Amino acid sequence: SQQGEEDPQALSIQEGENATMNCSYKTSINNLQWYRQNSGRGLVHLILIRSNEREKHSGRLRVTLDTSKKSSSLLITASRAADTASYFCAPGTGGFKTIFGAGTRLFVKA
Amino acid sequence: DVKVTQSSRYLVKRTGEKVFLECVQDMDHENMFWYRQDPGLGLRLIYFSYDVKMKEKGDIPEGYSVSREKKERFSLILESASTNQTSMYLCASSGTGTSDSNQPQHFGDGTRLSIL
Repeated sequence: SQQGEEDPQALSIQEGENATMNCSYKTSINNLQWYRQNSGRGLVHLILIRSNEREKHSGRLRVTLDTSKKSSSLLITASRAADTASYFCAPGTGGFKTIFGAGTRLFVKA
Repeated sequence: DVKVTQSSRYLVKRTGEKVFLECVQDMDHENMFWYRQDPGLGLRLIYFSYDVKMKEKGDIPEGYSVSREKKERFSLILESASTNQTSMYLCASSGTGTSDSNQPQHFGDGTRLSIL
């Protein structure tokens, strides 16, 4: 397993705007996951994209994966105040362990 | 929905005490994990278990031990609590799936542990 590196570390936007977070990793992966963590709570799994997929959607979430650049992005469209949270990517190389990065802190202003 | 329950949201203990953090999951998951989360450091894996009575060290096992006597329960033990173990502790579980893919993890709400 390996650690993803999220960018930016923090992001502040207005409600209704789109939020984009990026993740880079170092070696080949089988899949990549994104998680959200609200303040003082545990992580919640958002979406998993496999290495042979380029894009995946779930509601207002859009995830892209570029394995040639070893990067992924998470786009949240029409952000709401309730989207304020930390977002983590987790590149998966198989096995039991998943290693999380430090995350992107998103703040959506109402 | 999978539910992972951690026994305490907040806990205050004294230096030198033996501390038990309990975690229970209700989805018959094979894998269970303990992490600690500190500001600026993200989540760090302490221990994980892929089956009853099986355990593997994570990245920061020193000062901790674990117990998994039943499939649904995974306990984290601080043998002799120290102030540098003050942290947020998160438990998670996942199914095994295929061997070449990391499965989504389901987290509890965490235990904020303070060691005085």
